[in-house]
This record gives sequence, C-alpha cells and structure tokens, in this order.
Amino acid sequence: SAVISQKPSRDICQRGTSLTIQCQVDSQVTMMFWYRQQPGQSLTLIATANQGSEATYESGFVIDKFPISRPNLTFSTLTVSNMSPEDSSIYLCSYAGGQLNYGYTFGSGTRLTVV
Amino acid sequence: GENVEQHPSTLSVQEGDSAVIKCTYSDSASNYFPWYKQELGKRPQLIIDIRSNVGEKKDQRIAVTLNKTAKHFSLHITETQPEDSAVYFCAASKGQGAQKLVFGQGTRLTINP
Repeated sequence: SAVISQKPSRDICQRGTSLTIQCQVDSQVTMMFWYRQQPGQSLTLIATANQGSEATYESGFVIDKFPISRPNLTFSTLTVSNMSPEDSSIYLCSYAGGQLNYGYTFGSGTRLTVV
Repeated sequence: GENVEQHPSTLSVQEGDSAVIKCTYSDSASNYFPWYKQELGKRPQLIIDIRSNVGEKKDQRIAVTLNKTAKHFSLHITETQPEDSAVYFCAASKGQGAQKLVFGQGTRLTINP
C-alpha cells in the first residue's frame, strides 16, 4: 500500500490563529479523508476530500472552520481556523486503497493543543 | 446515517485467554467492516477486515465474524499476548471503492500477564 506522510506531528497554537495540516501520499489515490480524534475518544470524520471538487463535510463540521484543499491526487491539506481550546485534538488523514482494496491507511496524526 | 455501537468499552483478560469485541451497525447497506488496533500515541492500524459477502475471516490468532441479518460483527482474538493490549475500533462503510468509514466507540483491551 502507498505510504502516507502527515505534518506537523504536533503543534501548540494560540487561540484565534489557524493551523494547516498537510498530508502527502506517495501514489495517486481517489479520495482522502480527514478525521478528528479527541483524547480517549473514537475517530470522527470531518470531511472527504476529492480532487478537483469541494470537500464533502459531515454534520457538525463546516468549511469556514475546516477548509480543505485537494490540488492533486497525492496531496491534501486541512486548516483548523480561528482555533479555540475545544479544537485541541488529534487530526488524522487517511486514504482508501482503491476499488478492489478497501483497506484504509492513516497518517501518523497531528496532535494539536490550543492555548 | 450509519451508527456503529461497540461493546465492551474496556476488556481485561488473562494472557492466553480469548477476547471478543462486538459491534452492531444500523445501515443494512453497509458492506465493509474493518477492525483497527491503536496503540498509545500511534495511528490506527488495520488488522483485519471483512466484506458483506463473507461470514467469517481468519488471520492467525485473529478472526472476524459477520451476521448480516442481525447487523453485527465481532472480533475474536485467541491465545492473547501482552502485545495485544491496545484500543480496538470497529468500523463500517457502504458502497463501492473508497467510502467513508464510521467508527465504533472503541474497546480498551488489557492483557494481564
């Protein structure tokens, strides 16, 4: 399966600022997904990122707060905007292996702390 | 939308015993059911998955069973070892190809030596 790299691995940010998280896959993938994992909790899908179209957001997540870019089939970014302490969480990108391979691979995650 | 319920939230077993984690899903159209293992501070790792056209799948000490009628699936770990200690997540998705995963709440499994 393709290798997925995510950065930064962690950051401490001031409230009111924004952080952009990058995810790079070493081969082309159709869809990429962005998840949030709050401490001790499960994974919640933020949005699905398709190349060449706007991301599809899940209930409770909006584009103004979590803008996503997908400029090509190997790269995506998630921005956490106007941060508050409630945004402190781990953010993970992932991709699915393709039509016949349903296995999902996750990036190493970005641990965000907002102070 | 899809809802996945996972039980128990914590499970403690003696080394060498078996562990079973159960999940139920709400959307009968779901057709793909993976299980992930997440060790502390690490990313979730796929350990086994099953598609809706199969009732059971086994990989060494790990097996997954699926009951489509009852809409539940289970993870079975036999001959547990200390390195099996982790948080396990079930998930479900539907459709063809790459589709979003909906995760269960997770089970913290502890293997006691």
